[in-house]
Amino acid sequence: GAGVSQSPSNKVTEKGKDVELRCDPISGHTALYWYRQSLGQGLEFLIYFQGNSAPDKSGLPSDRFSAERTGGSVSTLTIQRTQQEDSAVYLCASSPLQGNYGYTFGSGTRLTVV
Amino acid sequence: AQTVTQSQPEMSVQEAETVTLSCTYDTSESDYYLFWYKQPPSRQMILVIRQEAYKQQNATENRFSVNFQKAAKSFSLKISDSQLGDAAMYFCAYRANAGGTSYGKLTFGQGTILTVHP
Repeated sequence: GAGVSQSPSNKVTEKGKDVELRCDPISGHTALYWYRQSLGQGLEFLIYFQGNSAPDKSGLPSDRFSAERTGGSVSTLTIQRTQQEDSAVYLCASSPLQGNYGYTFGSGTRLTVV
Repeated sequence: AQTVTQSQPEMSVQEAETVTLSCTYDTSESDYYLFWYKQPPSRQMILVIRQEAYKQQNATENRFSVNFQKAAKSFSLKISDSQLGDAAMYFCAYRANAGGTSYGKLTFGQGTILTVHP
């Protein structure tokens, strides 16, 4: 598609439930990133996929968080046993593998854990 | 590790006036890119302007320009002739170039909320 697509746009879940957030990057972009933005805060890096290389998972806050990228395209971020502190906007971005390009971001998923 | 600092949590400006948003960063690498992103209430992050560290000339995009001081590790954004549509949160970001230890990863500052008064 023309842009980075994220779904759902908003998600309300009960504490303890698992959630899946989806990101569909720009066609041809080999790099994909997940960030988390808490209310009124900056962006916190979570995970980074680059081509066929092993992902950089250094930003995942706990083992309840995991992500995969199937076929070098769509990515799913999974949060198991959600906690209230997981409430945030989760932003996905993609970029070409090389060059001086900034990222193209999706509109994010607002996750609320009640 | 690279860090990006925006020391102004909030700024305001009158419509048609000029405002400057500050950003400093810390890195041991010599080849990198710097960016300013705008995030309106829609949550969509929009690239405003970018600067390659090896270029001495400051980047300019219409009403937006930067003052890049490499030695001081400073990268401020100047918005001229401010418009109501410029109201948003602005983020400064750093990215290492190929070969850097953090290549590919954008590191963001905390953001500055810009209010534009009519």
